[in-house]
Amino acid sequence: AQTVTQSQPEMSVQEAETVTLSCTYDTSESDYYLFWYKQPPSRQMILVIRQEAYKQQNATENRFSVNFQKAAKSFSLKISDSQLGDAAMYFCAYRSAWQGAQKLVFGQGTRLTINP
Amino acid sequence: KAGVTQTPRYLIKTRGQQVTLSCSPISGHRSVSWYQQTPGQGLQFLFEYFSETQRNKGNFPGRFSGRQFSNSRSEMNVSTLELGDSALYLCASSESGTQFTGELFFGEGSRLTVL
Repeated sequence: AQTVTQSQPEMSVQEAETVTLSCTYDTSESDYYLFWYKQPPSRQMILVIRQEAYKQQNATENRFSVNFQKAAKSFSLKISDSQLGDAAMYFCAYRSAWQGAQKLVFGQGTRLTINP
Repeated sequence: KAGVTQTPRYLIKTRGQQVTLSCSPISGHRSVSWYQQTPGQGLQFLFEYFSETQRNKGNFPGRFSGRQFSNSRSEMNVSTLELGDSALYLCASSESGTQFTGELFFGEGSRLTVL
């Protein structure tokens, strides 16, 4: 069974600074997706960034980028130029690439606080 | 497109009662899955449906059940409620076939409180 581990329950960063959230996972599959989801206090889970395991290039979305190390099974999220609106719970998640498996395996989450 | 819609948003029940939660996926999405979110256990997978068929089920007791209708709308039911069933229940939908990207789109959730 796949597992996802986020070792940082809480993180804080000054506005405009850069922060990195850590995530490691365990799987025996070779093809899968990795995600970072953001859950603001309003509760709706929003996709931040997505990485396909077969792609070696790290995904980027504006101020958000990942460091995907497939051999090490590591998938960290870097947020540059942090903004107050980035404050939320961040969840790392794994999903098999097989379309018949919609199941997401989540990490425990990291609560990110942005200090003005 | 409208997002994933879950109803009701909040509900309070007492132990022993049953509850039904509803989820309408994004138009065109045929895959729907459900998750339970609690402070202690985090986000746990309940089950997933595709074309009215349950494809996968998480490690939850038989009191938790679900179904999907021909229009892809889904319901989940919890019978004989226990205090530990208090949680935020999230529904998610995704594309399938050539539109598949792997992403799940979540609703705002249904907050269930069991007294």
